Order: sequence, then C-alpha cells, then structure tokens
Amino acid sequence: GAVVSQHPSWVICKSGTSVKIECRSLDFQATTMFWYRQFPKQSLMLMATSNEGSKATYEQGVEKDKFLINHASLTLSTLTVTSAHPEDSSFYICSANQGDYGYTFGSGTRLTVV
Amino acid sequence: GESVGLHLPTLSVQEGDNSIINCAYSNSASDYFIWYKQESGKGPQFIIDIRSNMDKRQGQRVTVLLNKTVKHLSLQIAATQPGDSAVYFCAENSGGSNYKLTFGKGTLLTVNP
Repeated sequence: GAVVSQHPSWVICKSGTSVKIECRSLDFQATTMFWYRQFPKQSLMLMATSNEGSKATYEQGVEKDKFLINHASLTLSTLTVTSAHPEDSSFYICSANQGDYGYTFGSGTRLTVV
Repeated sequence: GESVGLHLPTLSVQEGDNSIINCAYSNSASDYFIWYKQESGKGPQFIIDIRSNMDKRQGQRVTVLLNKTVKHLSLQIAATQPGDSAVYFCAENSGGSNYKLTFGKGTLLTVNP
C-alpha cells in the first residue's frame, strides 16, 4: 500500500531556531500534500495545502512566513518552522493525496521548543 | 464556519462489547467521509470510509453509517478488543479540487479487559 515517510519523528530545538520536517511519499506520486498540527488531546488542524511546483495555500490564522512549505517534487514536501517558540511545540503530521479520495498519513513529528 | 464535531469525547466499554462512536457534520456539500484511529504519538490510521451516495458500509468488525438527513455519521466496532483503545476521528472531504479533509474533535475509546 501507499506509504508516507515523515522525518524526524521527534525533535527538540532551542527557541529562535528553525526546524525542518520532511514528508516523502515512497511508492506513489503525491499530487497534493497537507500539513496538520495537533495539540495534546485535540484534533488535527489543517495548516496548509501544497501542490507540487506551486505555492502552498494556508488556512486562516496560519502564518505563512513562519511555517514555510516547499513542495518541490511529487514525492517530497517540507515544512520549516522558522524562529520557533515554545508555543509552536506540537505534533505535526503530513498527509499525501494522489489526486483522488486516497489519503496517506505520515507518522508525525513531535516538536518541542525549549 | 462549518466543522465536523462529535457528541461524545470519551467512551469506555468492556472487552467483547460493541462500541458506537458518533459524529455530527455540518457541511452539506461534503461527499466523502472517513473514520481514523489514532494511537498515542502516531499518525491517523484509516479504518473505513463512505461516500455520500451510500448510507452504510461494512468492513472487518467495523460498520459506518451515514445519515445525510441529520448530517450524522457513526462508527460501530463489533466485539471491541483492548487493541481498539485509541482516539477515533471522523473526517470529511469538504469539497474543492484539493480534496481537503476536515477532522472532528475525536473520541477516546477505552476498552477494559
């Protein structure tokens, strides 16, 4: 079946630094990739939608200059949290879509900003 | 704005019992719904899906019911096992060419042995 690899699975960084999270579709081409953020005991909140070769579409309230998304190929999308602060600590999850109703989720990245 | 919500935040059942997890949605344009299971520290795991032209779909030990009249979705798990303990989310395809998924709040299912 379709597999999405997300790395790193966890990361601890100092406040003010940037962190990059990678999301790769291993055996299929992802037309669209979605990035979600999940706080403890809460649901997944969509941050942005990215299509290969074009700019990401951000959800209302998500700072595009803080959460940089790059979708340079059909198998790789990256999320960079710039100038991270403790309030950015969260569980980030990517999902890849093949242009239909099939969604494959990554295993998530636990970001802790200290 | 429109969103997907759940009636019960927690559900505790005995092993072997049947579980029913409910979800209310408000976007009448949604045409595709998915139930996900999420274990602690992991990404969502697909359980079962249903399109809006159906009202029932069955899988292995799971059944999803869709009532478009009242915009209600439910997940039934038969003979619930301890391994079913997790948070369950319903998600809806909220339309558009990007196939965005909107998630409900989640229900924590605890199965007692």
